[in-house]
Amino acid sequence: DAKTTQPPSMDCAEGRAANLPCNHSTISGNEYVYWYRQIHSQGPQYIIHGLKNNETNEMASLIITEDRKSSTLILPHATLRDTAVYYCIVSVYGGSQGNLIFGKGTKLSVKP
Amino acid sequence: GAVVSQHPSRVICKSGTSVKIECRSLDFQATTMFWYRQFPKKSLMLMATSNEGSKATYEQGVEKDKFLINHASLTLSTLTVTSAHPEDSSFYICSARDAQGATEAFFGQGTRLTVV
Repeated sequence: DAKTTQPPSMDCAEGRAANLPCNHSTISGNEYVYWYRQIHSQGPQYIIHGLKNNETNEMASLIITEDRKSSTLILPHATLRDTAVYYCIVSVYGGSQGNLIFGKGTKLSVKP
Repeated sequence: GAVVSQHPSRVICKSGTSVKIECRSLDFQATTMFWYRQFPKKSLMLMATSNEGSKATYEQGVEKDKFLINHASLTLSTLTVTSAHPEDSSFYICSARDAQGATEAFFGQGTRLTVV
């Protein structure tokens, strides 16, 4: 079973920030938080990952709480093309142990 | 990011035949690749972990004789669905990690298999 809990769906207005929460209260010390998204009928796309510190890249920001039991993915200026299912996954980093177990994710709908 | 290519993107086959799906890492070497299956409106389910030069590790409930996995090189893993039946119709997706260092996994574009 997935180790994360996410809301099943969220709406966001185009141009506004989308904040997607994720709970991972049983995360282990050697597990990272990964975020992927899947646009309909495509393979998942990597967004960002982190361990303890907040991370930012050209796609998004990842905010991890100090106790690491939850995190938030932030899309700063959502566009219609950001409509997708977003998956929050905890996993060890790399190697054959680093398989990704997908939960149900959050279906983000960006509306004009 | 790194590129993982799957082929074919769509395939229709008759019941009882076998279908091979290829997964290639185009700009990196992958010692480990993962195969997933996704049914409509469901999440991805891990089927097996493919290790270059050794036998694949299958998840519980996945028949290894039905879903043959070969990872003969650092850039190619194949999944063969043998004696396909309509219930095998699904979206099959592979992912790969760079062998040079622990990194995020990248996914192929998926293969839509329809068994008629």
